[in-house]
Amino acid sequence: DIVLTQSPATLSLSPGERGTLSCRASQTIKNYLVWYQQKPGQAPRLLIYNASNRAADVPARFSGSGSGTDFTLTISSLDPEDVAIYYCQQRSGWPVTFGGGTKVDLK
Amino acid sequence: EEQLLESGGDLAQPGGSLTLSCAASGFSFPLYAITWVRQAPGKGLEWVSTISGTSTDTYYADSVKGRFTTSRDNSKKEVYLQMHNLGAEDTAVYYCAKTQVVAMIVVPYMDVWGRGTTVTVSS
Repeated sequence: DIVLTQSPATLSLSPGERGTLSCRASQTIKNYLVWYQQKPGQAPRLLIYNASNRAADVPARFSGSGSGTDFTLTISSLDPEDVAIYYCQQRSGWPVTFGGGTKVDLK
Repeated sequence: EEQLLESGGDLAQPGGSLTLSCAASGFSFPLYAITWVRQAPGKGLEWVSTISGTSTDTYYADSVKGRFTTSRDNSKKEVYLQMHNLGAEDTAVYYCAKTQVVAMIVVPYMDVWGRGTTVTVSS
């Protein structure tokens, strides 16, 4: 199975600050990487698919990059509503696997 | 509006069975796969199963293979997750999610999620 390792576990940011979240795959997955946002008490929400494509209605401050084994989700300017846990997921092969998540909170 | 609504979550005995349902609306149901993802209390997301739009292909996590069965009824726009031989490790919120299909191949990323239904396995 493909293991996804997310870092850091927790990222504390001030409003307006830039944040960088990492996801590393145990083997190459081309660009078959997806990012989700999960706010407390809510279902996950699709943010990014195919490593860099923003889903519908996702603010432009969210961007994804990377290919192969190393991927990044960048929040260019944190809005307090972005407080959430962010998960990466690979769709390169079965079984689908998720990373352990990065919690983004307010500094 | 594209929506999914899970139901059927309940308290179950260890070794018992439960069937979850996922009702879809607002999109062309047969054209999409449906995925079940679960989240144990305080834990991350765990993929459980995916079924293709025509039920031709069904995929399971090793942790549920042989115990869980996913099926769908396109006439009712519903997907079902039959769970047997439940254990404490199956306690979780279960989400169903609309899953992409490209050229009749399941591309497992999920763009619409339900709110989830809670399964608790305890005596």
